[in-house]
Amino acid sequence: DTGVSQNPRHKITKRGQNVTFRCDPISEHNRLYWYRQTLGQGPEFLTYFQNEAQLEKSRLLSDRFSAERPKGSFSTLEIQRTEQGDSAMYLCASRSDRSPGNTIYFGEGSWLTVV
Amino acid sequence: GNSVTQMEGPVTLSEEAFLTINCTYTATGYPSLFWYVQYPGEGLQLLLKATKADDKGSNKGFEATYRKETTSFHLEKGSVQVSDSAVYFCARLPSFQKLVFGTGTRLLVSP
Repeated sequence: DTGVSQNPRHKITKRGQNVTFRCDPISEHNRLYWYRQTLGQGPEFLTYFQNEAQLEKSRLLSDRFSAERPKGSFSTLEIQRTEQGDSAMYLCASRSDRSPGNTIYFGEGSWLTVV
Repeated sequence: GNSVTQMEGPVTLSEEAFLTINCTYTATGYPSLFWYVQYPGEGLQLLLKATKADDKGSNKGFEATYRKETTSFHLEKGSVQVSDSAVYFCARLPSFQKLVFGTGTRLLVSP
């Protein structure tokens, strides 16, 4: 069990560019979550998947954001036409419905800086 | 509504002092409750959890008891260390839904 893996860990991009983050959940975890965290704040929910199905999207997820999990394993989060307000850490997490106590495990996060 | 409220930080303590970080929640039903810790520049690590009323979660000297009557899950440690300096997040998870976090409490421990 290698844990939840995210890459890239850090991304600096110019305003207006597109960026994509990848998340590899813990093997056989059927639920995968994306959160966003800005400095001094708690993580805010963006979206989550059960297997390949995207079950819920937050109002924070504007039309410029899209998340996929095509084969029910890894997931990508793409941000189009980035804005400075998108600068944050994007956290991925996963969980198995069979895990005791519903524990959700987080990755190390992907830092995005839009300049 | 469903929310988590934590005491504001920073909490500043000397090494070996007693720590309490308050957390209360509002929710329907009986969510699972968690404390996560975040060290500078890192992601979230699960510290401890409790899944039902009166459960006590514990790890690395930290403890928290799920109190249904007061809807609380306060984090405690008897003797903090400098290495405990981090941001601590309380969170709740209703069945098969998403984690909802508090705003976090920064702990600073000085030698």
